[in-house]
Amino acid sequence: AQKITQTQPGMFVQEKEAVTLDCTYDTSDQSYGLFWYKQPSSGEMIFLIYQGSYDEQNATEGRYSLNFQKARKSANLVISASQLGDSAMYFCAMREGFDNAGNMLTFGGGTRLMVKP
Amino acid sequence: AAGVIQSPRHLIKEKRETATLKCYPIPRHDTVYWYQQGPGQDPQFLISFYEKMQSDKGSIPDRFSAQQFSDYHSELNMSSLELGDSALYFCASRLAGNNEQFFGPGTRLTVL
Repeated sequence: AQKITQTQPGMFVQEKEAVTLDCTYDTSDQSYGLFWYKQPSSGEMIFLIYQGSYDEQNATEGRYSLNFQKARKSANLVISASQLGDSAMYFCAMREGFDNAGNMLTFGGGTRLMVKP
Repeated sequence: AAGVIQSPRHLIKEKRETATLKCYPIPRHDTVYWYQQGPGQDPQFLISFYEKMQSDKGSIPDRFSAQQFSDYHSELNMSSLELGDSALYFCASRLAGNNEQFFGPGTRLTVL
C-alpha cells in the first residue's frame, strides 16, 4: 500500500485565491512527521512546512498552513492568496518513527499546481 | 544562510561508465541523505549517513556506493551506469534532533 497518497495530479487556481492540496498517509507508528516540499521547474526541492504527529496545533508558515486531521490520516496543504510564483510541483512526505538520525522521507506522487493570472 | 551544495550540477555519461556525485551539507549538519528522482517520479530514498556511519539504506543498487567523510561531505559513487540511472540526484542534510531535511539543488545525471 502507498504510504503517501496525493490524489490530485494537477490543479489550477486563480491568482490571489486559496488552494488546498490533498495528502493522506498510512503508518502504524505513533510518532511520525509530515512535510511539504515545493519543486519548481528548475528542479530544486524547497522545504515549506512540517507537522509532527504529536503537535496539537496545525502548522503555519506565512501563506502556507497544514490542515492536519490525525484521525483521518490527512495532512492537506493550504496556500492562501496564490501567486504566479506558486506554480510548481508540490510533494507531501512522511518520516516514520521517532526523530532518530537517519530517518528518511517517503514521498507522495506530487501535485502540479498551476496558478492562472 | 548556507545551503546544501551539490556538484556537479549536470553530468553526462555513457553506459557502463562511472560517476561520482558530491554533497556538502549545511555547516554543523551531521546527517546526509541521498535521493533519486526519475523523470516524472517522486524522489526515492537511496541511503543515509549519520556522523560518518551509514544509518539507513533504501533502494540503492549494488552498483552504487556512498560514504560520508570526516568533514561530513558525502559522495555517491555509481558504476556500470545504465540508461535507467538517468535521474535527478538529491542530497539532503539535517541536524539530528531537528525536523527539517534541507535539499541541495540536485545533480542531473544523463546516461547515453
